[in-house]
Amino acid sequence: EPEVTQTPSHQVTQMGQEVILRCVPISNHLYFYWYRQILGQKVEFLVSFYNNEISEKSEIFDDQFSVERPDGSNFTLKIRSTKLEDSAMYFCASSAQGIGNTIYFGEGSWLTVV
Amino acid sequence: GESVGLHLPTLSVQEGDNSIINCAYSNSASDYFIWYKQESGKGPQFIIDIRSNMDKRQGQRVTVLLNKTVKHLSLQIAATQPGDSAVYFCAESIHNQGGKLIFGQGTELSVKP
Repeated sequence: EPEVTQTPSHQVTQMGQEVILRCVPISNHLYFYWYRQILGQKVEFLVSFYNNEISEKSEIFDDQFSVERPDGSNFTLKIRSTKLEDSAMYFCASSAQGIGNTIYFGEGSWLTVV
Repeated sequence: GESVGLHLPTLSVQEGDNSIINCAYSNSASDYFIWYKQESGKGPQFIIDIRSNMDKRQGQRVTVLLNKTVKHLSLQIAATQPGDSAVYFCAESIHNQGGKLIFGQGTELSVKP
């Protein structure tokens, strides 16, 4: 079964450093998403991306965050200057079409900011 | 404001019993609902979805019920197995909001063999 893959599975970074989390969405999908889950809390929406632009973003997704689709397969989340409170599991997801179509999640990238 | 760290509701069932997990959603404008299963250290796994023009949908061993009047969603798992043990999240969305899912707090299902 096709799946969303994410790298790295775990990254530890110093506060203030830049981090890039990488995702390979399911190949024929057109909509891409990033969500995060702080330990013990709900999964929270960060951003959705379609046709090379952001469709929707949450208030969490401030100027420190950016997304990019650098080529035909990868979808990245960049955090420019990490803060302690950015420590979380970051999930990439994709869907064939927009809402109303199944959104498939990757296994997540666990980010620890120290 | 939100509390730091959730104390998840827990449902404990005996293997073979049926499980019912409930969820209250927040937005009466939501028109698409999904149940996800999340095992420890893994990403949410799609179980079943339902649109707002339906009140019931069945899958393999699972049924989702939607009551729009009281903004309530439930997931029924038939003949629960130890492999069903996980945290179950409901999620809601509105079709014109770019794929933004709003997740509920989750229920931890524990299946005793």
